[in-house]
Amino acid sequence: DAGVTQSPTHLIKTRGQQVTLRCSPKSGHDTVSWYQQALGQGPQFIFQYYEEEERQRGNFPDRFSGHQFPNYSSELNVNALLLGDSALYLCASSLYNNEQFFGPGTRLTVL
Amino acid sequence: KQEVTQIPAALSVPEGENLVLNCSFTDSAIYNLQWFRQDPGKGLTSLLLIQSSQREQTSGRLNASLDKSSGRSTLYIAASQPGDSATYLCAANYGGSQGNLIFGKGTKLSVKP
Repeated sequence: DAGVTQSPTHLIKTRGQQVTLRCSPKSGHDTVSWYQQALGQGPQFIFQYYEEEERQRGNFPDRFSGHQFPNYSSELNVNALLLGDSALYLCASSLYNNEQFFGPGTRLTVL
Repeated sequence: KQEVTQIPAALSVPEGENLVLNCSFTDSAIYNLQWFRQDPGKGLTSLLLIQSSQREQTSGRLNASLDKSSGRSTLYIAASQPGDSATYLCAANYGGSQGNLIFGKGTKLSVKP
């Protein structure tokens, strides 16, 4: 049984560019959440998708948007990248009991 | 504001020692609490999930407790090994069955051979 997978592993972008990160949830999971983890900090909640709709959102600007597909996979899009967007982006999937399982993350570097 | 705090930020122990990692949360109306392990530059590995109705959970050498009244959770690691070296994060869920997690900053554990 495959766990949560994310792509790409690493990404380097320049300020002002746009980026798309991808996540496939653990088999049988229907809810996908995205988190941002800056160096030395705990992960911060960005948003959560369920039934192809954004159900909850953390304190992140509208430059951060997402999508969930019918197969429950998800994308995170970030527009107009800033230096401060450099971080590890983590995807987590869960089912009704809310034990969350995380993927390996995508390391985004903005130059 | 709902916050999670982990103290100490770093801990170094000799191999074989039993140890306790601490996690405190500001709001006692917690739905569940989850402990994770994170190796450098990697994702999070779920260790234990404690529901609000439970007092503790055990998995192998790990035991996690939850005391809602005092706003505290502890992760007990028995007979520590160098392979236990990692950052340990606790996360509180206040949002119910589909809630998001509020994380502490973690405790970086180093187990010396």
